[in-house]
Amino acid sequence: DAKTTQPPSMDCAEGRAANLPCNHSTISGNEYVYWYRQIHSQGPQYIIHGLKNNETNEMASLIITEDRKSSTLILPHATLRDTAVYYCIVTNFGNEKLTFGTGTRLTIIP
Amino acid sequence: DTGVSQDPRHKITKRGQNVTFRCDPISEHNRLYWYRQTLGQGPEFLTYFQNEAQLEKSRLLSDRFSAERPKGSFSTLEIQRTEQGDSAMYLCASSPWTGAGENEQYFGPGTRLTVT
Repeated sequence: DAKTTQPPSMDCAEGRAANLPCNHSTISGNEYVYWYRQIHSQGPQYIIHGLKNNETNEMASLIITEDRKSSTLILPHATLRDTAVYYCIVTNFGNEKLTFGTGTRLTIIP
Repeated sequence: DTGVSQDPRHKITKRGQNVTFRCDPISEHNRLYWYRQTLGQGPEFLTYFQNEAQLEKSRLLSDRFSAERPKGSFSTLEIQRTEQGDSAMYLCASSPWTGAGENEQYFGPGTRLTVT
């Protein structure tokens, strides 16, 4: 699986959009980009995933660059409950395990 | 609540004792995964099942660890002769794998094991 690089921490003001970057410059053509988050003392929570196109669901939007070497997770209107560690994971079909790095610790500031 | 459940949520045991954890996946999910997470680190994969078949085991899963999913529904993870290094959060996840290449996993709340 391709390795990912994320900033260790970020702050965002409540009500603003939180933009979390992820670099995956070695991604191959059949690898998906997944985002999970983990709120303190809870299990990870699936957020969104994509292959090539931008994706949006009720939680977030995922923007993948045309060359697929990086992506950005966007939480459009951050709330205090979005404070968590966010993990960007690249994995391909047939590889069932998720390889978590250390993620980005996002703190939403009132 | 129809999410993944785990039992117990917390377990304190003495070194050398055996412990067993249970995971109940989302009912229609055919894949079930176990991960371990130590403080400050992301979860690490241990093993996974498709229905009752255990398809992959990590090198982290030493001989003291065994996992089962006897009827393709709930799963158990047993640790024999626990060591202090086994202290961690043990996470279970399930997924509705369809073979289409996408595999979002849904996690339970975890079982926190403390070995004294």
